[in-house]
Formats: sequence, structure tokens, C-alpha cells
Amino acid sequence: AQSVTQLDSQVPVFEEAPVELRCNYSSSVSVYLFWYVQYPNQGLQLLLKYLSGSTLVKGINGFEAEFNKSQTSFHLRKPSVHISDTAEYFCAVPQMDTGRRALTFGSGTRLQVQP
Amino acid sequence: DTGVSQNPRHKITKRGQNVTFRCDPISEHNRLYWYRQTLGQGPEFLTYFQNEAQLEKSRLLSDRFSAERPKGSFSTLEIQRTEQGDSAMYLCASSSTGAISYEQYFGPGTRLTVT
Repeated sequence: AQSVTQLDSQVPVFEEAPVELRCNYSSSVSVYLFWYVQYPNQGLQLLLKYLSGSTLVKGINGFEAEFNKSQTSFHLRKPSVHISDTAEYFCAVPQMDTGRRALTFGSGTRLQVQP
Repeated sequence: DTGVSQNPRHKITKRGQNVTFRCDPISEHNRLYWYRQTLGQGPEFLTYFQNEAQLEKSRLLSDRFSAERPKGSFSTLEIQRTEQGDSAMYLCASSSTGAISYEQYFGPGTRLTVT
């Protein structure tokens, strides 16, 4: 089964600083990968996705992620964060090896942007 | 496109009572998913519909849980004889057919508190 691991449960950062949220995946087949953001008491919003093609993926709100097959990683980055980026971020993968449609999520990384 | 909607947004119930949640997917999406999210965790898959057919159920979906999508549009999730361990955010998502159908769009969730 395909899975993702988010290595950091919390990432504190100052406003306007760069940030990287780490995600590693485990897969024996081609993989799709997603990053979702969840603001307090809200559902999940799709930030960006890797399906195929360019390994550098740009998403909404100035976020980008790089698919690295050799390191089995899909880290999320933003060059300059804002207070409004404070939220929970989830990496997710569908179970493509079994054809299951369900997404398997990481445990999440709480990004705390401080003034 | 009004997005995925869920009702109610919050539900407080006493242990042993039955509760029902509703999800209205994006109108052209024929796939609908239910997830459960407990505090500090990523969402966990519960069940999945394609049109009105329930194609997949997680082992998390005990016999107290039942989901329906009678006309292939909205869906309901019912929990019978609620337990305190059922307290969680229940998220609904939808997706369309095709290669990008692994991409899921989430509603705002229903937060259930069992007292």
C-alpha cells in the first residue's frame, strides 16, 4: 500500500521567512501526490498536486512542491510566509497500486507563522 | 460550482443517540467519499460511492455506521447508538471521473461531539 510520512508535526516560522514542510512517500508504482491545507474549523482545500510531467509543481497562495523520485519526497515550500498561512498542512496519496480511490493522508504539519 | 456542502456544521449529542449527517457534492461529480478526522490527525477514509453504488468501505466503518446515496446525488451518513469515541470531524469529498479523479474536493465538515 502507498503511504506518506510527514516528518514534522509543527513548524514555527517568522513572517516573511521561507518555509519547507516535508513529506516522504512510499510506493512501488507510479504515484500521484497532493498537498491540502486546513484552516481552523474548516475542511481541506487542495493546494497543489503532482500527477506527472514537471517535477516542480506550483499551487495556490504562492506554494510550490518538488517531486523527487530518488528521495521519494514531495516537500512543500514557500519563499515568504504570511500570518494568514497559519494552518494545518496534509500530504496525501491515493492507493493507485490497488486501484482504491481513497486518499491516505499524513498526520499533518501545523505551520505557525509568528509576527 | 458551489462546492461541497455539509449539514449540520456542528452536532452535539448524548451517548446512545442516533445522528445523521448530509453531504451535497459538486453537481457534476459522480464520486463521493466520507472521511473521519480526529483531533491532531489526518483524515481517515470511511467509505466511497460511485453514483448510488457504495463501492468501498473501510474497516473503520463499524456496523453502527451506515451511509447512503440513494439517487446518486447527496449522501447521508448515519451513526447509531453514538459513543464518545465517535467524536470527530466528519468530512465529505467528491470527485469526477477520468484520470484526475483522484483529486478530491472537500466540504467544510460536520463536527460531532458526543457527551
